[in-house]
Amino acid sequence: GENVEQHPSTLSVQEGDSAVIKCTYSDSASNYFPWYKQELGKGPQLIIDIRSNVGEKKDQRIAVTLNKTAKHFSLHITETQPEDSAVYFCAASIALGDYKLSFGAGTTVTVRA
Amino acid sequence: GAGVSQSPSNKVTEKGKDVELRCDPISGHTALYWYRQSLGQGLEFLIYFQGNSAPDKSGLPSDRFSAERTGGSVSTLTIQRTQQEDSAVYLCASSLVVGVDTEAFFGQGTRLTVV
Repeated sequence: GENVEQHPSTLSVQEGDSAVIKCTYSDSASNYFPWYKQELGKGPQLIIDIRSNVGEKKDQRIAVTLNKTAKHFSLHITETQPEDSAVYFCAASIALGDYKLSFGAGTTVTVRA
Repeated sequence: GAGVSQSPSNKVTEKGKDVELRCDPISGHTALYWYRQSLGQGLEFLIYFQGNSAPDKSGLPSDRFSAERTGGSVSTLTIQRTQQEDSAVYLCASSLVVGVDTEAFFGQGTRLTVV
C-alpha cells in the first residue's frame, strides 16, 4: 500500500516568514495530493490539493508543488500569520483506483509573533 | 446535514466496557473513513468503506475493533472490552468519489477516554 512520509514533525517560524513542509510517497500510481489543516479541537480541513497533471498550484498565501519523478510534494506558506499555527497533514491517493487517502504523520506549525 | 456529524463528541468509559461511536457522513458520499488520533499524534488509519466494495479493515489494531456501515450511509465503530490505550480522538471522514474528485471531509471527532 501507499506510504506517505512527512517532514518536519514540528516547525517554528517568525511571523511574516515562510514555512515549507515536505512529503514523499511510495506508490507511483498516486495522482491526488491534498493538504489538510487541523486546528486545536477540530477535525482536519482541506486547504489545497493538487493532481498529477500539474506541477504547482497556488491559492493566496499557500502553494503546493509536485514532483512526480521524485515522488515528493511540498506545501509552502508565505507571509505566515499567527492563525496559520496548526497541524498540517499531507495525503496521497489513487483517484480512479481505490481512492483511499494515506496520510503523513503531520507537522505542527507554530508562528511566533 | 451540512457536514460530517459524529456522536458522541466526548465519551468516558470504564476499562472493559464496550463503546459505539457513530458517524453520519455527508449525504451521497460513497466513501467513509475512520481514523484514530492519539494526543499530539498523526492520523492512524482504521477502516475504509467505499460503495458496495468489501471494506478495507487493514488498519484495525485488534479484533476488539469493528465497524459497519448500514445502507451505505451511517457508520458505527465498535470497540469491545476497552483498554486505556484506546483513549484517543476517533475521526470519521467521507468523500464523494466521482471521477478524480476525492476530497475528504472530516467530522469533529469523538474524544474517547477510558478510565
